[in-house]
Amino acid sequence: DGGITQSPKYLFRKEGQNVTLSCEQNLNHDAMYWYRQDPGQGLRLIYYSQIVNDFQKGDIAEGYSVSREKKESFPLTVTSAQKNPTAFYLCASRRRDRAHDDYTFGSGTRLTVV
Amino acid sequence: QQPVQSPQAVILREGEDAVINCSSSKALYSVHWYRQKHGEAPVFLMILLKGGEQKGHDKISASFNEKKQQSSLYLTASQLSYSGTYFCGTEYLMDSNYQLIWGAGTKLIIKP
Repeated sequence: DGGITQSPKYLFRKEGQNVTLSCEQNLNHDAMYWYRQDPGQGLRLIYYSQIVNDFQKGDIAEGYSVSREKKESFPLTVTSAQKNPTAFYLCASRRRDRAHDDYTFGSGTRLTVV
Repeated sequence: QQPVQSPQAVILREGEDAVINCSSSKALYSVHWYRQKHGEAPVFLMILLKGGEQKGHDKISASFNEKKQQSSLYLTASQLSYSGTYFCGTEYLMDSNYQLIWGAGTKLIIKP
């Protein structure tokens, strides 16, 4: 079955460390997204990519970086510059054609700073 | 700007109906509805593209009032499986690009 795989499910980071969250899709979707979810705030867009080798900042990109070297992969690095990284991170892809317009989400990575 | 969802939370007995509203300050191109169970990925429910469009499957339906820039999700004869947090995503045109912003969510608890 096609879908989005995020790993790891849980991640602990020490102060000052960079960590990378993995996101892989086998849906052949061009567009991919990273969201941060905090209690009571819904989904906030960190970065998105409409095509390989191109990506755009979302509303809360500071302290994060991404790459899109392959269509299937869109990893997110949480850098030490992100002051409050503890959150639930969701990766998504979007299918958009004549018959469909929907997002598929991964199961998320819960990042905790220790 | 983030769409406003109301109510923020609602508790129902199995079999009761619920309405969740999503309002935007911007002219909308589309409205997306998703449901997320705790610790899981949000799951697609439906998308509404045209003003006045209504959609539904099973006992979940939605309407889109383009003039009022709002959408409502209707859950009829709720089942225990309907529990979760419901998000609306509103899409609008900005600087020649479509932007989609998610609401903060409505938590729905269904009790037996």
